[in-house]
Amino acid sequence: DTGVSQDPRHKITKRGQNVTFRCDPISEHNRLYWYRQTLGQGPEFLTYFQNEAQLEKSRLLSDRFSAERPKGSFSTLEIQRTEQGDSAMYLCASLLGLQETQYFGPGTRLLVL
Amino acid sequence: SQQGEEDPQALSIQEGENATMNCSYKTSINNLQWYRQNSGRGLVHLILIRSNEREKHSGRLRVTLDTSKKSSSLLITASRAADTASYFCATERNTGTASKLTFGTGTRLQVTL
Repeated sequence: DTGVSQDPRHKITKRGQNVTFRCDPISEHNRLYWYRQTLGQGPEFLTYFQNEAQLEKSRLLSDRFSAERPKGSFSTLEIQRTEQGDSAMYLCASLLGLQETQYFGPGTRLLVL
Repeated sequence: SQQGEEDPQALSIQEGENATMNCSYKTSINNLQWYRQNSGRGLVHLILIRSNEREKHSGRLRVTLDTSKKSSSLLITASRAADTASYFCATERNTGTASKLTFGTGTRLQVTL
């Protein structure tokens, strides 16, 4: 257990539905990342927060995806109008200041039917 | 997109043997990190090597970095069944505001009794 938690751990939804995932980073960690990992691949960067500011987004993050970190603590990732191609593991990671090591949560596995 | 490739894609060894995994990447980096992922779980940080370092040790782990060849290797000595997992290399470089990690495709290690 790294101290980063994610909820839910598993989500099954039907195509076209909206889903929201939550990440609780290690307290006091001001930097937070979201990654997506498809089967048999390494994680791919989606977006980055420093405190409450979303400072970078990947081109992978289509307009159906939105992420927030309203108070600079927990973060949410919402996918609207889910598609089967969104099926993946969504991972959250946090770190403090100038640290180099990212601490990953257990991930949320999404299956879109 | 993935930064590079890992080799081999899968490795099966017996307990007590050494396991060597290789990672190649494409661009200049600040550091290279190795992570372990047990099936369906989050990633756990193993070791970090900076671009100006050539070799680093941590317990049964030894990592090397050759920036001229843009490659790294991870050696796990005296492997144990508990080492069974997927291993990913990840490179970090400063692009924009996020020092995001770019992962390889991973090596699946199976250690049998």
